[in-house]
Amino acid sequence: GAVVSQHPSWVICKSGTSVKIECRSLDFQATTMFWYRQFPKQSLMLMATSNEGSKATYEQGVEKDKFLINHASLTLSTLTVTSAHPEDSSFYICSASRPDTIYFGEGSWLTVV
Amino acid sequence: AQTVTQSQPEMSVQEAETVTLSCTYDTSESNYYLFWYKQPPSRQMILVIRQEAYKQQNATENRFSVNFQKAAKSFSLKISDSQLGDTAMYFCAFRLTNDMRFGAGTRLTVKP
Repeated sequence: GAVVSQHPSWVICKSGTSVKIECRSLDFQATTMFWYRQFPKQSLMLMATSNEGSKATYEQGVEKDKFLINHASLTLSTLTVTSAHPEDSSFYICSASRPDTIYFGEGSWLTVV
Repeated sequence: AQTVTQSQPEMSVQEAETVTLSCTYDTSESNYYLFWYKQPPSRQMILVIRQEAYKQQNATENRFSVNFQKAAKSFSLKISDSQLGDTAMYFCAFRLTNDMRFGAGTRLTVKP
């Protein structure tokens, strides 16, 4: 079964509103979680690395004020897309890190209308 | 920053044949992990195989094996006895403790 749960799988929101995506590690404590964005027919682009109890590390070009990441516990990290616009529509996927491997969530499709 | 390169955007193979997907990476680190992930149309990321850089022995998982050349920074994936269900995008990934990067991917089609 899934060891990382991501919710929601699909979300549609109006332009200008905010939407939150949750990433939970179910069977283990994840000190590090990664957030990715994937455009159609492209690879996973690392947005930020989330460490429990500290501020996320954002990749160059990713607006930290727009993509708020919170890793408040060892089993939960959240990504909030603030003031969403149609160009933010994409597939977002998280992963949770164990020492020996990484598990991915099922991903979330965000559509901003 | 680490980079991962997959030079084959698309590949195809006949069912039951063998195919090799290429991956190279660039890093100044000596301890790291390398992965191959499969992404079917569902978009779920499925771990195919993992290799620790400190291990010289190439990893194998059933029909999947890798050729890890640390000095050359090469990490290719060999799929033997290809099956129709192997059709998917395949991503090579490089991981440090707080960093994980993916290559651009190779779209593999297994033909009946």
